Amino acid sequence: QSVVTQPPSASGTPGQRVTISCSGSGSNVGSNTVNWYHQVPGTAPKLLIYNNSQRPSGVPGRFSGSKSGTSASLAISGLQSEDEADYYCAAWDDSLTAWVFGGGTKLTVL
Amino acid sequence: VQLVESGGGLVQPGGSLTLSCAASGFTFSDFYMSWIRQAPGKGLEWISYISSRGSNSIYIDSVKGRFSISRDNVRNIVSLHMSSLGVEDTATYYCARGGGSLIDHWGQGTLVTVSS
Repeated sequence: QSVVTQPPSASGTPGQRVTISCSGSGSNVGSNTVNWYHQVPGTAPKLLIYNNSQRPSGVPGRFSGSKSGTSASLAISGLQSEDEADYYCAAWDDSLTAWVFGGGTKLTVL
Repeated sequence: VQLVESGGGLVQPGGSLTLSCAASGFTFSDFYMSWIRQAPGKGLEWISYISSRGSNSIYIDSVKGRFSISRDNVRNIVSLHMSSLGVEDTATYYCARGGGSLIDHWGQGTLVTVSS
């Protein structure tokens, strides 16, 4: 059971906007920045969003992140078939003295 | 940035294994390094990090006393020595850059299977 909670699945049609939530507590999401990773099954995770809302070089602008209190969200606009992947949020947990990952959300493009 | 793990394989319960990660494309000695694992069909679990100079390292509770992280800043290698392995340690193990703050780049992973 992850200390950071994500919905196990999400879906949308091409062109739609989808959001994925990430709910934590005061010791992790509430007090530290949130990063998002995406992982195509069988491959390594890649950084998608860091510091709650920053995009690394090369990540399209249709990916955006936000945080409020102990919750964070990843939004994907203009959904494309290649966005089908697993998405994970992560934050440092001050109480556990460890990085904690959400359980992951499998995004399906219908 | 390139991170290449090696050393995975099949090991019996109670056995030991050492994973290595060769880093290139960045100034290795400037960065914390982490190991993260993913059990088959499951999510990501951060295991450990080591500071840039190797003076500090931390572990999750489930591997404390069994796993040991180390680094060689001359050869640009970070290692994870694992002992007293159990079936619950079966996973793909990823080496990643960062840990003190952002974890940003990951290797391709190496599979460790603990089975008799």
